[in-house]
Amino acid sequence: AQKVTQAQTEISVVEKEDVTLDCVYETRDTTYYLFWYKQPPSGELVFLIRRNSFDEQNEISGRYSWNFQKSTSSFNFTITASQVVDSAVYFCALTPYNAGNNRKLIWGLGTSLAVNP
Amino acid sequence: DAGVIQSPRHEVTEMGQEVTLRCKPISGHNSLFWYRQTMMRGLELLIYFNNNVPIDDSGMPEDRFSAKMPNASFSTLKIQPSEPRDSAVYFCASSLCRTTGSCTNEKLFFGSGTQLSVL
Repeated sequence: AQKVTQAQTEISVVEKEDVTLDCVYETRDTTYYLFWYKQPPSGELVFLIRRNSFDEQNEISGRYSWNFQKSTSSFNFTITASQVVDSAVYFCALTPYNAGNNRKLIWGLGTSLAVNP
Repeated sequence: DAGVIQSPRHEVTEMGQEVTLRCKPISGHNSLFWYRQTMMRGLELLIYFNNNVPIDDSGMPEDRFSAKMPNASFSTLKIQPSEPRDSAVYFCASSLCRTTGSCTNEKLFFGSGTQLSVL
């Protein structure tokens, strides 16, 4: 079975704090993709990053960084020096690398991040 | 560039009424997805199309739900008759699948969603 767990339902931080959003996944596939999406208050989900299971190199994009640890089946997301505009719900998702017509993303339930001024 | 456009943004209807949600994907995208989001169940894939053809509708809750994609630039999701438990946010998303067959790694572009309330 495939599953994505985001154990943190809600996180509240003060602006400029660093915050890490956890994502733990389960899959029997040896090759797969992991994603993070952001859902701001306006509602639409926005793609942040895609990582394939072959590449365990961490990635940094501005204040955002992602730590992929295959050994612990985790793909955590860190926001450095958080800002109010980072307030949103963040979703982690998983999909098999080659799934034929089974193209369903497996979504976590999301972590709601509130960054307070 | 215009993103995925959904209409209406909000829909309030009474139980038993027909509801039609509309979606215009990003021009050039060849895959379209309908999702439903609720607090209890999170994001659920209802159906997706590839090149206007429905590929997987196993997520459609029941026969009251139907979806069509008559052309590459338009899709509808219809609920008839609607029930209070259908209340949710319905998202449309599109993507460009660059390979034939499996295409599981493309990123999705979402619309702003339709907030449906069935009274």
